[in-house]
Amino acid sequence: AQSVTQPDIHITVSEGASLELRCNYSYGATPYLFWYVQSPGQGLQLLLKYFSGDTLVQGIKGFEAEFKRSQSSFNLRKPSVHWSDAAEYFCAVGPRGGADGLTFGKGTHLIIQP
Amino acid sequence: DGGITQSPKYLFRKEGQNVTLSCEQNLNHDAMYWYRQDPGQGLRLIYYSQIVNDFQKGDIAEGYSVSREKKESFPLTVTSAQKNPTAFYLCATKTEAGSYEQYFGPGTRLTVT
Repeated sequence: AQSVTQPDIHITVSEGASLELRCNYSYGATPYLFWYVQSPGQGLQLLLKYFSGDTLVQGIKGFEAEFKRSQSSFNLRKPSVHWSDAAEYFCAVGPRGGADGLTFGKGTHLIIQP
Repeated sequence: DGGITQSPKYLFRKEGQNVTLSCEQNLNHDAMYWYRQDPGQGLRLIYYSQIVNDFQKGDIAEGYSVSREKKESFPLTVTSAQKNPTAFYLCATKTEAGSYEQYFGPGTRLTVT
């Protein structure tokens, strides 16, 4: 069965510092990978996605992620965080043998220190 | 404006009552999904529907029911059989066939006491 692991429940970063959020997946074939962001009490917003091709993908809000097949990882990065980046971040993998939803990690809560 | 609407944003019910959560979309997407979110648990799939009048159970369907009578609408009923219904519920749609990215509504927070 496929799974997604986000090893860090909480991460604290100073404003202006760089950020890397980790995501490891278990999947039987070439996965479709996603990063979503969620502000408190809100729905999820798609940050970026990887389907194929260039393993470094660019997303919205200055985020990027790198797919590393050998490490089964899809880590999210940002060179300089802003206080508005404080949120919950979810990594997801699909499909689940069809159009039956995505498998999500448990999320990483990002705290920005002034 | 295209999007996904979930109403209401907050919902309160007494234990033993059924409650229906609304999800409407005008994106013309075929597939729709319901997820449940609990603190520290990520999102778990309840039900999904790929076409009108058809739907399938996800990982945690017990105590829930759905219908898909129109392409635009996919309501979720939380029945009294659901043992722990208090949670944040998210509706999502999927873009065109062959793509797997999903777009989410704003969510409904259900509190059952």
